Amino acid sequence: GENVEQHPSTLSVQEGDSAVIKCTYSDSASNYFPWYKQELGKRPQLIIDIRSNVGEKKDQRIAVTLNKTAKHFSLHITETQPEDSAVYFCAASNLNNDMRFGAGTRLTVKP
Amino acid sequence: GAVVSQHPSWVICKSGTSVKIECRSLDFQATTMFWYRQFPKQSLMLMATSNEGSKATYEQGVEKDKFLINHASLTLSTLTVTSAHPEDSSFYICSARGGTYGYTFGSGTRLTVV
Repeated sequence: GENVEQHPSTLSVQEGDSAVIKCTYSDSASNYFPWYKQELGKRPQLIIDIRSNVGEKKDQRIAVTLNKTAKHFSLHITETQPEDSAVYFCAASNLNNDMRFGAGTRLTVKP
Repeated sequence: GAVVSQHPSWVICKSGTSVKIECRSLDFQATTMFWYRQFPKQSLMLMATSNEGSKATYEQGVEKDKFLINHASLTLSTLTVTSAHPEDSSFYICSARGGTYGYTFGSGTRLTVV
């Protein structure tokens, strides 16, 4: 089955700096890679996703890159703000099967 | 947009009792529902996958007789934690395949077993 690894587990940046979180996956059949932001006690919120037919996707300050050959994908947050502080999870899925999550990254943005 | 309603949002029960958690897809049909468990400061761990009208597929290490999953309709899936123990205390969350974004999460249920 799919195995998703995520790094780093914690990340602290200064407000305005960029943050990068990286994930690798094992199942070459995976074709959908969402990123979720989760605040304490709440459901994960989808912030961006990418499908295997594209290499990069951007939405304002958030971008995701995908390297299907190497089986890794990354989340980039630019111009970080304190409200970006949360736990971020990557996930991988073959849309015909289940979705597996990475272990999560606790991002802290210091004002 | 797609909405999955999950109830209850939190529940406290005594050891040995059973608790039922419901997830309803309100504006789309969820042919597949995933049930996750999340311990504090940990990731979401897939417990089981259920398809409407068929038996759930459980992940290794998850007791199917303890965590009963029913997916009798395209809009409702339930997870029943039977004979609950304190170690079952966790955040349980469902995710339905379908809707605008492909996967739609319920709001989660915080279970505390005392």
